[in-house]
Amino acid sequence: DAGITQSPRHKVTETGTPVTLRCHQTENHRYMYWYRQDPGHGLRLIHYSYGVKDTDKGEVSDGYSVSRSKTEDFLLTLESATSSQTSVYFCAISELARETEAFFGQGTRLTVV
Amino acid sequence: GENVEQHPSTLSVQEGDSAVIKCTYSDSASNYFPWYKQELGKGPQLIIDIRSNVGEKKDQRIAVTLNKTAKHFSLHITETQPEDSAVYFCAASRGGTYKYIFGTGTRLKVLA
Repeated sequence: DAGITQSPRHKVTETGTPVTLRCHQTENHRYMYWYRQDPGHGLRLIHYSYGVKDTDKGEVSDGYSVSRSKTEDFLLTLESATSSQTSVYFCAISELARETEAFFGQGTRLTVV
Repeated sequence: GENVEQHPSTLSVQEGDSAVIKCTYSDSASNYFPWYKQELGKGPQLIIDIRSNVGEKKDQRIAVTLNKTAKHFSLHITETQPEDSAVYFCAASRGGTYKYIFGTGTRLKVLA
């Protein structure tokens, strides 16, 4: 398995609270991604990073921010969690920018009550 | 916008039979089509991929076909086994971008 660790694996939080999810990789891959997985929607890209301090928005970025201060860590922050952000969040990494395998973490199940 | 449609959403087959999952993409500039398998409680894992300059690719019991004209691609699993039971996702991406558009997934159940 690719060296990707997501933390926490499960979290329940209240509406309006800030939440940070962490993705840590040991592969030294340049590209990192955050996806959310919801029934009927598959996997949708939230944000991605193409290097330290280089990030950009995906297709469902509203309400989320990211930071990457080190190659190995990519943080996803929900500034003020809402019930619509209840989902399973996956981090992924890839060595190249395109036409290449993306390795996924185990996922974080987030419930906003 | 870009879209990938995947069918069926659920598929049950008897062990030993074949399974076929189909995807249609909207962006004619897409040129890379991976398939991912997701087992319960785990992240998706790449099982096979195909590029637009190839019509078919095989890897043991798994094959993928691509019809660029119709913008269709399909996953074929032969001699299915219980361990093939999982959710399968297709995806498409355009060269030069980081963005993979995923289908909505197919839950495959292989009945013993």
